[in-house]
Amino acid sequence: DTGVSQDPRHKITKRGQNVTFRCDPISEHNRLYWYRQTLGQGPEFLTYFQNEAQLEKSRLLSDRFSAERPKGSFSTLEIQRTEQGDSAMYLCASSPNKDQPQHFGDGTRLSIL
Amino acid sequence: EDQVTQSPEALRLQEGESSSLNCSYTVSGLRGLFWYRQDPGKGPEFLFTLYSAGEEKEKERLKATLTKKESFLHITAPKPEDSATYLCAVISGSSNTGKLIFGQGTTLQVKP
Repeated sequence: DTGVSQDPRHKITKRGQNVTFRCDPISEHNRLYWYRQTLGQGPEFLTYFQNEAQLEKSRLLSDRFSAERPKGSFSTLEIQRTEQGDSAMYLCASSPNKDQPQHFGDGTRLSIL
Repeated sequence: EDQVTQSPEALRLQEGESSSLNCSYTVSGLRGLFWYRQDPGKGPEFLFTLYSAGEEKEKERLKATLTKKESFLHITAPKPEDSATYLCAVISGSSNTGKLIFGQGTTLQVKP
């Protein structure tokens, strides 16, 4: 069990640029979640994949955000035309089924200049 | 609306001084309550799952309990290495996906 891996750990970009984050879940976990966490707050749900199917998206996920999980393995989260308000920690988690604990990666911290 | 509230927001303890953290929840049927520990710059680390009122889980100096409205994380004789943010999260019975609803966390500082 190598755990959930996220890349990059830190991304600094200028406002208006596009960014893409990658998540590699625990290999036997078919459920994958993305969350966003701002300073002093708990993580907030963004989107959920079961295998390759994206089954739920939060209203926090504006049309500038898109996520994919090709072949039900790794996942990517892309933000287009970044804004200051996008600055946050983006966390990925995976679990084997709905009621089991989700295991988190160490996140990607996005800083918008 | 499903909601999780944690208190206090911050807690300072002397080494060895036991205390409790509170997590109050309002959900449409509880499927599970989860406690996580988060260190600065890291992702949440899973501690406990509780599924029904009256359930208790224990690990080293930590003990989690659950009632129909709240959960407590009891810390007995804490050490400086227990300093971290402790997050509580629930899965609502109305969720088809198992998404977690988090509280804002309690930041614990244990001084030697």
